[in-house]
Amino acid sequence: EPEVTQTPSHQVTQMGQEVILRCVPISNHLYFYWYRQILGQKVEFLVSFYNNEISEKSEIFDDQFSVERPDGSNFTLKIRSTKLEDSAMYFCASTGGGYGELFFGEGSRLTVL
Amino acid sequence: DQQVKQNSPSLSVQEGRISILNCDYTNSMFDYFLWYKKYPAEGPTFLISISSIKDKNEDGRFTVFLNKSAKHLSLHIVPSQPGDSAVYFCAASDLSGAGSYQLTFGKGTKLSVIP
Repeated sequence: EPEVTQTPSHQVTQMGQEVILRCVPISNHLYFYWYRQILGQKVEFLVSFYNNEISEKSEIFDDQFSVERPDGSNFTLKIRSTKLEDSAMYFCASTGGGYGELFFGEGSRLTVL
Repeated sequence: DQQVKQNSPSLSVQEGRISILNCDYTNSMFDYFLWYKKYPAEGPTFLISISSIKDKNEDGRFTVFLNKSAKHLSLHIVPSQPGDSAVYFCAASDLSGAGSYQLTFGKGTKLSVIP
């Protein structure tokens, strides 16, 4: 069964460092997303990406964040200068469109020290 | 601003009985609703969905009910099994909008099914 894959599963970084989280969405999907879940809180939308550009982003997705689809298969989330409050589980998701059912990856846990 | 609310953070149910998970929403533009199940250290997994043109959708042991006038939906699991123990997230989408299929999630309800 096709699945969304994410790497790394866990990354520990120092505050101020740059982090890149990688995702391989399901191959025929067209819409790509990043969500995050801070421990004990709800899953929050960060950004959606369609047709090689951001289609929507939340207020969380400030100038420190960027997304890229560099090669037609990977979808990356970059955090330029990490803060303690960026510590969370980051989920990549994709969908082919239609009725909006998103398929999620297993998540990348980011710990900022 | 909680557009999707799951007011019960946890629920315990005996195996074989019915589990009822509730969800309320405030945004009247939402027209598609989904339930996701999440195990620890895994991503959310799609369970069942319902369009706003329906009031019920059933898939095996899982049934979702939608009451648009009350802006309320519920997920029924019958019979509940120990493997159903997980966190259940309600999510909503405005498919008539700009088309990015963004989901807004509730905070989740942790279901524990006791053998």
